[in-house]
Amino acid sequence: DADVTQTPRNRITKTGKRIMLECSQTKGHDRMYWYRQDPGLGLRLIYYSFDVKDINKGEISDGYSVSRQAQAKFSLSLESAIPNQTALYFCATSDFIWGGEQFFGPGTRLTVL
Amino acid sequence: GDSVTQMEGPVTLSEEAFLTINCTYTATGYPSLFWYVQYPGEGLQLLLKATKADDKGSNKGFEATYRKETTSFHLEKGSVQVSDSAVYFCALSDPNTGGFKTIFGAGTRLFVKA
Repeated sequence: DADVTQTPRNRITKTGKRIMLECSQTKGHDRMYWYRQDPGLGLRLIYYSFDVKDINKGEISDGYSVSRQAQAKFSLSLESAIPNQTALYFCATSDFIWGGEQFFGPGTRLTVL
Repeated sequence: GDSVTQMEGPVTLSEEAFLTINCTYTATGYPSLFWYVQYPGEGLQLLLKATKADDKGSNKGFEATYRKETTSFHLEKGSVQVSDSAVYFCALSDPNTGGFKTIFGAGTRLFVKA
């Protein structure tokens, strides 16, 4: 089984709808991240969390919110989706060691019409 | 702020050709440097890393050397295969930001023809 899973893998929705993307991990890591990937822009950080009680905004948090329900679960919500939120979304985890790698889920492709 | 710049793609090579993907960085401290690879339909996975100047990271025939004097971390492979076709991301993790945020380059898509 994959260490980092994301659901759904694909989602098409309409402008104004509320959407939740879910991420679960079995690596036992405290740190979790949400990124979006757009062609030519690489990965941009939306939110990150160091533990269940710690949530931090990344560089592009406007229009998004997150919930850290447990060490293993980190959800991303779009309260009112808009077309420019169409992107590939990745969840990632890492441990507390500085310079350590991040482990990524397979991604959720979201299309907002 | 910190940033990573890598060569634009796509890069198209024939099998067994030599590969170089350039990467330069800007950071206030002494970052760790990474190359991640993304195969079609998958998330990113770590390819190699280097944590201090002059370190060489290597994996699966790929290599990159941490060059502090030129702030570079170029990815090389002597003989590419069709299975190397993917998107490659250069990235850094800066201790001055707590070391927990990773800054990614825009990615370079590699196509290898048989």
